[in-house]
Amino acid sequence: GENVEQHPSTLSVQEGDSAVIKCTYSDSASNYFPWYKQELGKRPQLIIDIRSNVGEKKDQRIAVTLNKTAKHFSLHITETQPEDSAVYFCAASRGYQKVTFGIGTKLQVIP
Amino acid sequence: DGGITQSPKYLFRKEGQNVTLSCEQNLNHDAMYWYRQDPGQGLRLIYYSQIVNDFQKGDIAEGYSVSREKKESFPLTVTSAQKNPTAFYLCASSISPPTGELFFGEGSRLTVL
Repeated sequence: GENVEQHPSTLSVQEGDSAVIKCTYSDSASNYFPWYKQELGKRPQLIIDIRSNVGEKKDQRIAVTLNKTAKHFSLHITETQPEDSAVYFCAASRGYQKVTFGIGTKLQVIP
Repeated sequence: DGGITQSPKYLFRKEGQNVTLSCEQNLNHDAMYWYRQDPGQGLRLIYYSQIVNDFQKGDIAEGYSVSREKKESFPLTVTSAQKNPTAFYLCASSISPPTGELFFGEGSRLTVL
């Protein structure tokens, strides 16, 4: 089955700096890579996703990159703000198949 | 107001007791999922269902059971066979491909005393 590794497990950045979270996956057939944000005490919510036919996707201050050859994908957050503090999960799936999550990265943005 | 509703939000049970967690969605989604969340272990899949009257085991199904008699409902039973049931349980749903986005409920926190 699919295995998703995520790092770092914790990340602290100064407000205004960039944050990068990296994930690798094992199943070369995976074709959908979402990122979820979970604020303290709340449900995970999708913030951005990318499909295997795309190398990069941006949405305002967040971007995701995908390297299919290396089976790596990354989340980039620029100009971080205190409200970006949360746990971020990467995930991978094959179309309608089950979604496999990474262990999560706890991001702390220091004002 | 569409969404996924989980109940109860908090639940305490004694060892040896079975407990059922409710998950209801009014999003008309075909697929539903149960995840377990433990600190430092991310979200691990317990069971999932892609259609009514059908479900598959996830990565950590031992000690759990589910049913999918209605499209809107996917209850999870934590049995006494589950060795370490204290955890935060999240239910989710999704539409058919190609989107793939999971919509989560607010979760149920189970504590075994």
